[in-house]
Amino acid sequence: DAMVIQNPRYQVTQFGKPVTLSCSQTLNHNVMYWYQQKSSQAPKLLFHYYDKDFNNEADTPDNFQSRRPNTSFCFLDIRSPGLGDAAMYLCATSRDAGRVSQYFGPGTRLLVL
Amino acid sequence: AQSVTQPDIHITVSEGASLELRCNYSYGATPYLFWYVQSPGQGLQLLLKYFSGDTLVQGIKGFEAEFKRSQSSFNLRKPSVHWSDAAEYFCAVGAWGGDDKIIFGKGTRLHILP
Repeated sequence: DAMVIQNPRYQVTQFGKPVTLSCSQTLNHNVMYWYQQKSSQAPKLLFHYYDKDFNNEADTPDNFQSRRPNTSFCFLDIRSPGLGDAAMYLCATSRDAGRVSQYFGPGTRLLVL
Repeated sequence: AQSVTQPDIHITVSEGASLELRCNYSYGATPYLFWYVQSPGQGLQLLLKYFSGDTLVQGIKGFEAEFKRSQSSFNLRKPSVHWSDAAEYFCAVGAWGGDDKIIFGKGTRLHILP
């Protein structure tokens, strides 16, 4: 089945230690998104790629970076995680921009010690 | 800018009872609207969407939603809930005209009484 896959499902890191979260998709969608979701809150868009074009949200901290080496994969890099970065990180894809649905992966729960 | 309001943070219903979750949106043009469901520790699953046409849309798991332009609402309904419906429900709105992001409401947590 076509799907959005996130690895790992749970990630523990130390304060200030760089961490990378991974997302892959078999849907061949053009757009990939990264969301941050803190407990009992709505998902918050960090950035997205339309193909290779990177679109950063204005309020996304510089501590968060992303890479998309090919259509299938997208990575979220947190350069120096703080305690406030502990959250669920959701990857989503959509076929195109605009009036289309987004399909979400199961998420990666990040714990910062 | 578009926004979404889900006025109920928590809703509790008995198993077998009917359900309605409220969603109001704010957007100057015709929106496109979604309902997603999230089980604990999981990602979001698309229940249904409205882009245009028939204002009553059917989704998965027996859910439906009705778009009412005059009330700026897109309420989610189910005639008879099951214990497995306990989850967080998010309404979301997207902009017509090429913006490639959607805005989520803060969610409604549904509790089911046996």
